[in-house]
Amino acid sequence: EVQLLESGGGLVQPGGSLRLSCAASGFTFRNYVMSWVRQAPGKGLEWISGISESGGNTYYLDSVKGRFTISRDNSKNTLFLQMTSLTAEDTAVYYCAKFVWGEDFDHWGQGTLVAVSS
Amino acid sequence: DIQMTQSPSSLSASVGDRVTITCRASEGIVNYLAWFQQKPGKAPKSLIYAASSLHSGVPSRFSGSGGGTHFTLTISSLQPEDFATYYCQQYKSYPFTFGPGTKVDIK
Repeated sequence: EVQLLESGGGLVQPGGSLRLSCAASGFTFRNYVMSWVRQAPGKGLEWISGISESGGNTYYLDSVKGRFTISRDNSKNTLFLQMTSLTAEDTAVYYCAKFVWGEDFDHWGQGTLVAVSS
Repeated sequence: DIQMTQSPSSLSASVGDRVTITCRASEGIVNYLAWFQQKPGKAPKSLIYAASSLHSGVPSRFSGSGGGTHFTLTISSLQPEDFATYYCQQYKSYPFTFGPGTKVDIK
């Protein structure tokens, strides 16, 4: 059974940093593109970043480019999102999602809440 | 970036009703279109990919159609567990983009 388990969320002050993790199991992690998608309170879904199978290619939404860094450790089946210079607009539930070529996202984690506030 | 729009933004329907939601892309995306269902406080659930293919385990009352810039999600006979918000999303090119969502609630 595919499982994606996010962790690392919490309350952080504006300008602060946070590192999210997504532990994957139930599939061959190194063979799949992964993404982070977020959802601000009461708002819709927003894709923010993706990473290729090897980690050699990364993609970002313009609003997080230069502040967020996606990475992965295929030896530990874990996806990461390093977030810096956080603002209130980054407050959201952050989901990791498994991407299948031709099929888009087929599995999602349960999400982790990031709250940016003083 | 490719912009996605959905209509309506919300609808009220009864159990057994046929429901159709429309999604439009700002440019052609072939059939790189997915639909997701989300219930309050829960992660999204993947319903349809490639515009019309159902993910494993998705009931056959859900169907998708379309191509290019115009797509639809149809629920043939609405069930109590289908009351939720539905999102379309293009995955033709980065940044992947979602529609604003359509909330389906009980009439």
